[in-house]
Amino acid sequence: GQNIDQPTEMTATEGAIVQINCTYQTSGFNGLFWYQQHAGEAPTFLSYNVLDGLEEKGRFSSFLSRSKGYSYLLLKELQMKDSASYLCAGADYNTDKLIFGTGTRLQVFP
Amino acid sequence: GAGVSQTPSNKVTEKGKYVELRCDPISGHTALYWYRQSLGQGPEFLIYFQGTGAADDSGLPNDRFFAVRPEGSVSTLKIQRTERGDSAVYLCASSLTRGARETQYFGPGTRLLVL
Repeated sequence: GQNIDQPTEMTATEGAIVQINCTYQTSGFNGLFWYQQHAGEAPTFLSYNVLDGLEEKGRFSSFLSRSKGYSYLLLKELQMKDSASYLCAGADYNTDKLIFGTGTRLQVFP
Repeated sequence: GAGVSQTPSNKVTEKGKYVELRCDPISGHTALYWYRQSLGQGPEFLIYFQGTGAADDSGLPNDRFFAVRPEGSVSTLKIQRTERGDSAVYLCASSLTRGARETQYFGPGTRLLVL
């Protein structure tokens, strides 16, 4: 089975950098997804990592360490619109399913 | 093309009633997933289809829940004898093909409230 852990809430200031951590335990790990979800809206895809290392995509970067069962999402130059929940999801090749964490609710203050 | 659409966007029903929730996936996407999301939680897997067949329905909580995808496109999630605990947002997602590495694209969800 799989278990995904991430902090429930985080706060940060506009213009700052924030790192949202995610640890996972899985029997058939096939990569890790990050999704953004604004209140009352659908989750939207941010990134997918299957190999170790950092992948950068504009202000957002995602990191994966398979040996440590650890990932993080890095958000730079925070904007008010980045206030949202960030969902970490592990992909399981045994079941072809995504297992989501509870999400990290990020609040950005001016 | 258009994204995943779901109807209705909101549904209020009384305990014991029957409801149907509809999902229109992205055109050409063969895999379709249903999730349930409670407040403050991540999406919880219910069932997924590859084409017309349910490839995995292990997440359906009990036999009151059923889903179909008769022509391999639109899917309907059916809930019989609704209970207050069924109140949640029901999300649908589609991906180009089957596989956990495939990016899933989500619809806006149906907010179900059972009174």
